[in-house]
Amino acid sequence: AQKITQTQPGMFVQEKEAVTLDCTYDTSDQSYGLFWYKQPSSGEMIFLIYQGSYDEQNATEGRYSLNFQKARKSTNLVISASQLGDSAMYFCAMKTGFQKLVFGTGTRLLVSP
Amino acid sequence: DGGITQSPKYLFRKEGQNVTLSCEQNLNHDAMYWYRQDPGQGLRLIYYSQIVNDFQKGDIAEGYSVSREKKESFPLTVTSAQKNPTAFYLCASSIGGQGGEQYFGPGTRLTVT
Repeated sequence: AQKITQTQPGMFVQEKEAVTLDCTYDTSDQSYGLFWYKQPSSGEMIFLIYQGSYDEQNATEGRYSLNFQKARKSTNLVISASQLGDSAMYFCAMKTGFQKLVFGTGTRLLVSP
Repeated sequence: DGGITQSPKYLFRKEGQNVTLSCEQNLNHDAMYWYRQDPGQGLRLIYYSQIVNDFQKGDIAEGYSVSREKKESFPLTVTSAQKNPTAFYLCASSIGGQGGEQYFGPGTRLTVT
């Protein structure tokens, strides 16, 4: 069975600092995709970044990057130069083949001035 | 603008009544999904549809029903059989198949008293 674990219920960071949100996953499949979503207080889920299991390079998307360590089954999200608008819930998710997207329980990030 | 719309944003119902949540997308996506989110929790899959006129149960389908008569529309009915219907409901779509991130609508917050 596929499982996503996010062990940090909450994280604090000062504006302009970098922050790393942890995510580990469990699957026996060789081919899978890893996703990160942001959920502001308004409730919508915003897609941030994707990493495929066969991608050799760590994914980057603007201020977002992934520290993908396949052997350790972890895909940590790094947000550089944090902004006040980054305060939100962040969810890690995984999809294997035609299977459904499985979500972690999320990490609440608070960015202070 | 392409996107996913859910209406209404807030919905109130009396216990024992069925209620239908709307989800429409104009992204030309084949696959559509319904998730439920409870406070402080991740998303749990209720139903998904990979193609018109076909849908499958997710992890928590009991007390819910769906239809997929048109590619653009995937309404969710919360029946009186659902024991704890009060929750935040999110609809999503994707290109389908093995790839593609899911794009989410703004969500509907359902309160049943």
